Amino acid sequence: EAGVVQSPRYKIIEKKQPVAFWCNPISGHNTLYWYLQNLGQGPELLIRYENEEAVDDSQLPKDRFSAERLKGVDSTLKIQPAELGDSAVYLCASSESGEQFFGPGTRLTVL
Amino acid sequence: SQQGEEDPQALSIQEGENATMNCSYKTSINNLQWYRQNSGRGLVHLILIRSNEREKHSGRLRVTLDTSKKSSSLLITASRAADTASYFCATAPPGSARQLTFGSGTQLTVLP
Repeated sequence: EAGVVQSPRYKIIEKKQPVAFWCNPISGHNTLYWYLQNLGQGPELLIRYENEEAVDDSQLPKDRFSAERLKGVDSTLKIQPAELGDSAVYLCASSESGEQFFGPGTRLTVL
Repeated sequence: SQQGEEDPQALSIQEGENATMNCSYKTSINNLQWYRQNSGRGLVHLILIRSNEREKHSGRLRVTLDTSKKSSSLLITASRAADTASYFCATAPPGSARQLTFGSGTQLTVLP
């Protein structure tokens, strides 16, 4: 069974540029999460989807971050414009019950 | 914000020894989970313990939960070099088993 797939694995951009991350969850998992992880810290939730509905986006900086989950499967997280402080690893996870399955993450570096 | 606090922040042991990591949290929980993260990789689920459980085992892992003290411990017995990783506890609040808040992690190094 394929795990959670994320792309790209690494992204380097200059500040003020846009960037997008893509996630394909495990087949059949209705719940999808986007987390941000800074170096030496645990993941922090940005947004949680139940099917195509965003049910928890209270920690998503909506002035520059946006996300969508079309048809309740794949999801895209976008940052526009990126700032230096956005450099981090962006993790996607999916679940069908309590246990979450994580993708390898996208390491974003903003120069 | 991070609800869980792991202790210690870093732990270094010899192969074959046991490793114990602790997690304290602040509010009531539905369940508490432990995850492992190898360098540069995503997190891997290890074990879930519900609020009405006190102890759980999985292979070389033993997790305890004390809801009166709002704390949990993860014991890895007979450690191996491959156990070197960061370990995170995560808590889910009552009524929302899918909403996890992660701690800042313990970095475990097992020396061969």
